[in-house]
Amino acid sequence: NAGVTQTPKFRVLKTGQSMTLLCAQDMNHEYMYWYRQDPGMGLRLIHYSVGEGTTAKGEVPDGYNVSRLKKQNFLLGLESAAPSQTSVYFCASGEAGTSGRTDTQYFGPGTRLTVL
Amino acid sequence: QKEVEQDPGPLSVPEGAIVSLNCTYSNSAFQYFMWYRQYSRKGPELLMYTYSSGNKEDGRFTAQVDKSSKYISLFIRDSQPSDSATYLCAMSGVSSGSARQLTFGSGTQLTVLP
Repeated sequence: NAGVTQTPKFRVLKTGQSMTLLCAQDMNHEYMYWYRQDPGMGLRLIHYSVGEGTTAKGEVPDGYNVSRLKKQNFLLGLESAAPSQTSVYFCASGEAGTSGRTDTQYFGPGTRLTVL
Repeated sequence: QKEVEQDPGPLSVPEGAIVSLNCTYSNSAFQYFMWYRQYSRKGPELLMYTYSSGNKEDGRFTAQVDKSSKYISLFIRDSQPSDSATYLCAMSGVSSGSARQLTFGSGTQLTVLP
């Protein structure tokens, strides 16, 4: 199993450009998440999904949109990139259920995005 | 004030030392506590998972949770250069069924010197 994969690994954008980050998981997980990681800020949740066709806002959703058309894929879009969106973006997935153990999240390798 | 506070370090120790990493939190609803390890330019990976208060041991790693003090720790015995990484604490509360949101600390950068 590949686990969680992210495409692309690196990207440089100019202010105002748009792009889509793709996350794919092969563990049949219901839940998927997008985070950004900045120095001194830790991981902050952007958006998440609890199942195919659902999305919800996290802690820092402004400037981002997401879609979950297929269970295994979760897309993060930047419609008009800004320098403040320069960051490392991580996708994660997790199981559904009532057990606390299902709070475990499995992370992808990350996408390094620079907005000039 | 952040919900989860973690000393960012950096922390340097000699090989073989005992390492203590800590997080404090303010939300008394947190019941599930995790430690993730993140190597440079990689994604976080789950290292330890504990529920409520108490200790959990896994090889050289021990996780402790003191809910009365809102304090969690990760101990690494006989530390190795391969333990050099950033360690992130994470926690969550009782889930309502629709959300599985973790709150992360900012991470502690550890270097084990050979």
